[in-house]
Amino acid sequence: GQNIDQPTEMTATEGAIVQINCTYQTSGFNGLFWYQQHAGEAPTFLSYNVLDGLEEKGRFSSFLSRSKGYSYLLLKELQMKDSASYLCAVTSGTYKYIFGTGTRLKVLA
Amino acid sequence: GAVVSQHPSRVICKSGTSVKIECRSLDFQATTMFWYRQFPKKSLMLMATSNEGSKATYEQGVEKDKFLINHASLTLSTLTVTSAHPEDSSFYICSAREASGEMETQYFGPGTRLLVL
Repeated sequence: GQNIDQPTEMTATEGAIVQINCTYQTSGFNGLFWYQQHAGEAPTFLSYNVLDGLEEKGRFSSFLSRSKGYSYLLLKELQMKDSASYLCAVTSGTYKYIFGTGTRLKVLA
Repeated sequence: GAVVSQHPSRVICKSGTSVKIECRSLDFQATTMFWYRQFPKKSLMLMATSNEGSKATYEQGVEKDKFLINHASLTLSTLTVTSAHPEDSSFYICSAREASGEMETQYFGPGTRLLVL
């Protein structure tokens, strides 16, 4: 079956660094995406990994290990506006996304 | 980046009526669009894949006669919730696939909040 797991909730302090993990078990793999979603809004694209390693984009970085079925999203210099849900999604041989459960991140002052 | 619009953004209707939601890709052609449903504090659940010029592919457990999907053109897909009931109240989000080089990306619409009374 298809299974993508993320922690349900995380809390961090403004200015800190937080790592959100995602583990997946899918029948195939064509790429892994991270999206940010604020309450009541549509998800917005953050990052895409298809090869192993770290992709850095400003304050956000995403890591992938295909052999371990594991990814993480790293957020640096946290800001209050980073409070949101972070969704991990995998594509596996079709164009469909399989979304993880999502992680609600709360940034405290 | 690519832009996807949805209309309406919010709709309240009486039980038993049908509601149509439109999804448009504004600056690119989308051969494939997707419809998702999201419950409060939950992740996105894929309902169906909408392909231009052919029938939609529904995920297991999604009633195709209940949720009618029409992909009329390369920039428009519609979802019609037929004979809506209170349990159909949810946040419906569409996305459009853009293939650019090696990367497959879905761009999401702003969502439609449906409340059935």
